Amino acid sequence: DAGVTQSPTHLIKTRGQQVTLRCSPISGHKSVSWYQQVLGQGPQFIFQYYEKEERGRGNFPDRFSARQFPNYSSELNVNALLLGDSALYLCASSSSGAGSLTDTQYFGPGTRLTVL
Amino acid sequence: AQSVTQLGSHVSVSEGALVLLRCNYSSSVPPYLFWYVQYPNQGLQLLLKYTSAATLVKGINGFEAEFKKSETSFHLTKPSAHMSDAAEYFCAVIRYNQGGKLIFGQGTELSVKP
Repeated sequence: DAGVTQSPTHLIKTRGQQVTLRCSPISGHKSVSWYQQVLGQGPQFIFQYYEKEERGRGNFPDRFSARQFPNYSSELNVNALLLGDSALYLCASSSSGAGSLTDTQYFGPGTRLTVL
Repeated sequence: AQSVTQLGSHVSVSEGALVLLRCNYSSSVPPYLFWYVQYPNQGLQLLLKYTSAATLVKGINGFEAEFKKSETSFHLTKPSAHMSDAAEYFCAVIRYNQGGKLIFGQGTELSVKP
């Protein structure tokens, strides 16, 4: 079975631009979460979506937005890019997003965003 | 607020030696705890997760972790390190009131010397 897939693998943007990152969850999973991992740090939670509704939001500015589609895939959008947005963006999928022990989050390979 | 602290940003062991990566959690109630591994230029892979049924949890690749409530710890161990174990290891806790939000520690980079 295919795992979580993300596209693109790498992305280079300049300050002020906008970027869209994409994620396809494991088949049957209805929840998608997004995390930002700055070099040398642990991942930081950005958003969680379940059944196309936002279930949680981390401490990120409004420049960050996301949505989930009927097929449970998801997009993360970042507007007005700053140098500090350079990071590995990770997508994770789970079956229900309830945070229970039976609801393990499986991560994709990530999208490496570089802002120049 | 729930959080995790990983002691030691870098750990170096010789091949065949014991691996011990430390994680302490801060929580008012016993949390759900996880260890993930990240190989260079890859995403996160689940090593193991804590269930309340057993304090000693066995994971993949020979790793295990012991939940100690009295010490609020969930340290990761492996009896004999392999070169292929070289990676970044993250301890994480689930945040109850925000669904499946994982809160990660800063990570520990494990180096294995031949």
